[in-house]
Order: sequence, then C-alpha cells, then structure tokens
Amino acid sequence: NAGVTQTPKFRVLKTGQSMTLLCAQDMNHEYMYWYRQDPGMGLRLIHYSVGEGTTAKGEVPDGYNVSRLKKQNFLLGLESAAPSQTSVYFCASSSIRDRGSYEQYFGPGTRLTVT
Amino acid sequence: KNEVEQSPQNLTAQEGEFITINCSYSVGISALHWLQQHPGGGIVSLFMLSSGKKKHGRLIATINIQEKHSSLHITASHPRDSAVYICAVYTGTASKLTFGTGTRLQVTL
Repeated sequence: NAGVTQTPKFRVLKTGQSMTLLCAQDMNHEYMYWYRQDPGMGLRLIHYSVGEGTTAKGEVPDGYNVSRLKKQNFLLGLESAAPSQTSVYFCASSSIRDRGSYEQYFGPGTRLTVT
Repeated sequence: KNEVEQSPQNLTAQEGEFITINCSYSVGISALHWLQQHPGGGIVSLFMLSSGKKKHGRLIATINIQEKHSSLHITASHPRDSAVYICAVYTGTASKLTFGTGTRLQVTL
C-alpha cells in the first residue's frame, strides 16, 4: 500500500495563478484533511472531509477550496495564489472504523512558493 | 495562549543522553498523538495514547489525563533521533487534531 500520497511535491506559482493539490489514499479511510505548516507555528487545519461528497472548513480556510468527489481523493485548490499562501501543505487521512482509534496518517507534503 | 504547548522549543543533547519533551494542553481530549518530522521530511506517527504509557524501542510516551500533560522520552539518544517532535491532541468530532509548535531536537556525537 502506498498510504497517503500527494502531488506535486514542489511548486512555484506567481501571484494570482491558480493550482490544485491532489491527495490520494489507498486505505479506504473515511476522513481526510488538509493542513498547512508555517515556520514557528503548529500545523493548521485548512479543510477536512468526513466522507465522499462532504467537506467542511477548518481553522484557516480563506483562499482555499476543496472537493472530495471520490473517497480516495481530496483536492485542495488555490483560485488566486497569494504570497501568504507560501507554505508546506500536508494531507492526512483517518478511519472511523476502529472505535477509539483516531490515528491520522500523513502524506509527504507539498512545498508551495508563491512569488 | 495556544491550546497545546510544548517545551522546550529547542533541545541539544549529546549522544547517549536521556531526553524528555513535554506537552501540556488546556482542552478536553480523546487521545494524544506524538509525531516525528525529519528536516525536509514528512510526518511520521510515533505514538497515539489516551492513558498510561507506551513504549517502542528507545521511545517512551506517557500521559496524565488529570494533569493534562504528556511526555516523550528518548533513552540512549542517537544523532538519527535529530528531528522535530510534535505533540497533537484529538479534540472531538471528525478526529480533528490541534498541534503544538514542535520541539526541535539536535543530537550530537
């Protein structure tokens, strides 16, 4: 199993450009999450999904949109990139099947620079 | 004040030393997660615990729910343990995590 994968690994955008980050998991997990990691700050939740076709806002959702059309994929979109969105983005997934076990599994990250 | 506080923020140790990283939280939790992140690397799960103590190799994690405190111990530290150690707590719906800012550990020869 590949676990959680992210595409691309690196990207440089100019201000105002758009892009989509793809997260895929092969563990049949119900829950998926997008985080951003910035220096000196803990990971912060952008958006999450509790199932196919369902998404919800996290702590820092502004400037991002998400979609979960298939259970295994969770897409994060930047409609008009801004330098403040320069960050490392992590995707994660978890399962609701194991009661009491909420463990999240993380992807390798995408390093995004907006100039 | 952050809901999850870690100390110290930075830690330098010599190979072989016993290391302790602390995590305190101010909210009710269902479980706590210790994670490891190597420079430029992804995030790896070390432990998830909701009570007591867990051990894996040279790593030991403890949690005191009443005191809202957890510790991660590394025995006989090694340079390959150099990484950022992150504490995160599960706070309810949808298995959402709240993260500490991490402890950067450097182990030297």
